[in-house]
Amino acid sequence: AQKVTQAQTEISVVEKEDVTLDCVYETRDTTYYLFWYKQPPSGELVFLIRRNSFDEQNEISGRYSWNFQKSTSSFNFTITASQVVDSAVYFCALSTGYSSASKIIFGSGTRLSIRP
Amino acid sequence: GAVVSQHPSRVICKSGTSVKIECRSLDFQATTMFWYRQFPKQSLMLMATSNEGSKATYEQGVEKDKFLINHASLTLSTLTVTSAHPEDSSFYICSARTSVNEQFFGPGTRLTVL
Repeated sequence: AQKVTQAQTEISVVEKEDVTLDCVYETRDTTYYLFWYKQPPSGELVFLIRRNSFDEQNEISGRYSWNFQKSTSSFNFTITASQVVDSAVYFCALSTGYSSASKIIFGSGTRLSIRP
Repeated sequence: GAVVSQHPSRVICKSGTSVKIECRSLDFQATTMFWYRQFPKQSLMLMATSNEGSKATYEQGVEKDKFLINHASLTLSTLTVTSAHPEDSSFYICSARTSVNEQFFGPGTRLTVL
């Protein structure tokens, strides 16, 4: 069975602090894709990153970085120098199989609040 | 990236009525679309997979007779909530798969059943 666990339900930090959102996944498939999405209050999902199971390289995009570790089945997301605009619900998600567009299983989400 | 639209963005209806939600891929053809439901402060749960020209595949626990899905063309899938009740009030999101196996999400439809 496939499963995504985001143990942090809510996180609140002061602006400019760094914050890490945890994601642990479960799958028996050797080929899979991991995603992070941002959902602001408007509700629309904003795609942040997709990573396939064969690529364990960490990635940095501006203030965002991702740490993929197959050994611990984790795909954590760090925001450095957080800003109020980063406030949103963040979902980690998993898709198994050869296509990244097979059905996507979402974690329960982490609600991030950045205080000015 | 590719654009997926949903219509309407918000709908309020009376209990017992049916509501149709459209999901369109605007600049690409989508042989497969997915429908998700999100209750307040919860995650997105896949309801069904919609394949063009064939019957939808429903996830366990989703009533296919209540949530009718029609994927009549490569750019349009519709979800009809039949005999809607207040417990069907939710945020419905569709996604569409491109020919190169990427998946894009629509902006969502907020359904409120009075």
